[in-house]
Amino acid sequence: EVQLVQSGAEVKNPGTTVKISCRVSGYNFTDYYMHWVQQAPGKGLEWMGLVDPEDGETIYAEKFQGRVTITAITSTDTSYMELSSLRSEDTAVYYCATGSGSYYGHFDYWGQGTLVTVSS
Amino acid sequence: QSALTQPPSASGSPGQSVTISCTGTSSDVGGYNFVSWYQHHPGKAPKLMIYEVNKRPSGVPDRFSGSKSGNTASLTVSGLQAEDEADYYCISYAVSNRIFGGGTKLTVL
Repeated sequence: EVQLVQSGAEVKNPGTTVKISCRVSGYNFTDYYMHWVQQAPGKGLEWMGLVDPEDGETIYAEKFQGRVTITAITSTDTSYMELSSLRSEDTAVYYCATGSGSYYGHFDYWGQGTLVTVSS
Repeated sequence: QSALTQPPSASGSPGQSVTISCTGTSSDVGGYNFVSWYQHHPGKAPKLMIYEVNKRPSGVPDRFSGSKSGNTASLTVSGLQAEDEADYYCISYAVSNRIFGGGTKLTVL
C-alpha cells in the first residue's frame, strides 16, 4: 500500500522558515515525481513545485520562486518542502502528492496535509 | 500564470447531471491532453477522479466523465448522489508549470 506521511502542524513567526517532510512507503521513491500543493484558508489548491527524486531536479511555480526549496532524500524515501520569509498569507495546509503520471499533474497519492500557521 | 477558470459553484438534484468547466489557454489546457480532476472534501486529501482528460482511475464510479474541446475541459457527474457534494479542481500541465483551476463547489440539492 502506498503511503505518504507528512510531518505535524507548525506555528511560525513572520520572516522565519518552515520545513515540512513527506515520507513515502509502498513504492520505489525514485519512480515518481513529488509535488507540493498549498491550500490557504478559504482558497483553492495552488501548485508550488516538484522534484525528481532520481536526480534532484526541481521546477517551481513563479509565485514561490526564490522562497521555496523542494528536495528528495533517497536514503530515507523522504521529500522536504522548505518555505522561507514566511508571511501571514503563507498560513495554509501543505500537501505532498505523487503518482504514476505525476509529471503531468496526475496524482494518485496524497499526504494527509500539514497545517502551517504564520503568526506573531 | 493565472489559475484556470472554473465556475465558483454548481448544483443539481439527486439523479441529475452536472457539468463543471475548466478554461485555460492554448499553452495549457488546449495544448496538451494532460488535464486531471480532483474531488476535495474539507479536511481530507484530494482524490483523483479523472486524468489525461477522460481516463478514470480504478474505483472511481463511471458516473464521472471528462472531456475537452479547445481550451476548455469539462467534468460531468451523472446520476448525482449526496456524497458527490464537494469541491472539484482541475489541473493542467504546462511547460515548467502545473496550473490548478480556482475550484468549483458542487452542491447536491
